[in-house]
Amino acid sequence: KNEVEQSPQNLTAQEGEFITINCSYSVGISALHWLQQHPGGGIVSLFMLSSGKKKHGRLIATINIQEKHSSLHITASHPRDSAVYICAAANTGNQFYFGTGTSLTVIP
Amino acid sequence: NAGVTQTPKFRVLKTGQSMTLLCAQDMNHEYMYWYRQDPGMGLRLIHYSVGEGTTAKGEVPDGYNVSRLKKQNFLLGLESAAPSQTSVYFCASASGSGANVLTFGAGSRLTVL
Repeated sequence: KNEVEQSPQNLTAQEGEFITINCSYSVGISALHWLQQHPGGGIVSLFMLSSGKKKHGRLIATINIQEKHSSLHITASHPRDSAVYICAAANTGNQFYFGTGTSLTVIP
Repeated sequence: NAGVTQTPKFRVLKTGQSMTLLCAQDMNHEYMYWYRQDPGMGLRLIHYSVGEGTTAKGEVPDGYNVSRLKKQNFLLGLESAAPSQTSVYFCASASGSGANVLTFGAGSRLTVL
């Protein structure tokens, strides 16, 4: 069983397209995290949210606590956005449950 | 600001050899974690620590040992490496309980022949 499910697993988009990555979780959380991992690279935190919506540049993350669902949106996608995006649910004990990631490729 | 530093970045071992991965953080974080990342699978927790001198098992602890003698360091040991331990290992840290950002090291790629 997976506590965190992401969709889609793979996504290819044309430069400029609006992208949505979805995350559903089954555990009680204190926060939901979105992470980014470039090929061969480390993992960086994009967002941590426990309610509502957050925006950083062209990236927007939303969460619906009642439905246990979060989405990551990328507006005006660019080839440099190509990466694996990982959703992680954190409980109050600082335990993290990770999705398997969404591999995004943005074609020029 | 170094954040979380892992050493070594790459290592090739023969089956049965031992090694230690070192994780160091300079953010005074209480929580530290070791994960492994394998193709098609999410990050899986090996061991974690909620403070200096404490360690606990995660999801996949077999074949690994850890120590947290100092708050800033979290060591992951492989006593007798097996090919199944070929993976990319990530160390991460977070401050005290509650909603906290998880900070990752750059990863250590281990190959066991």
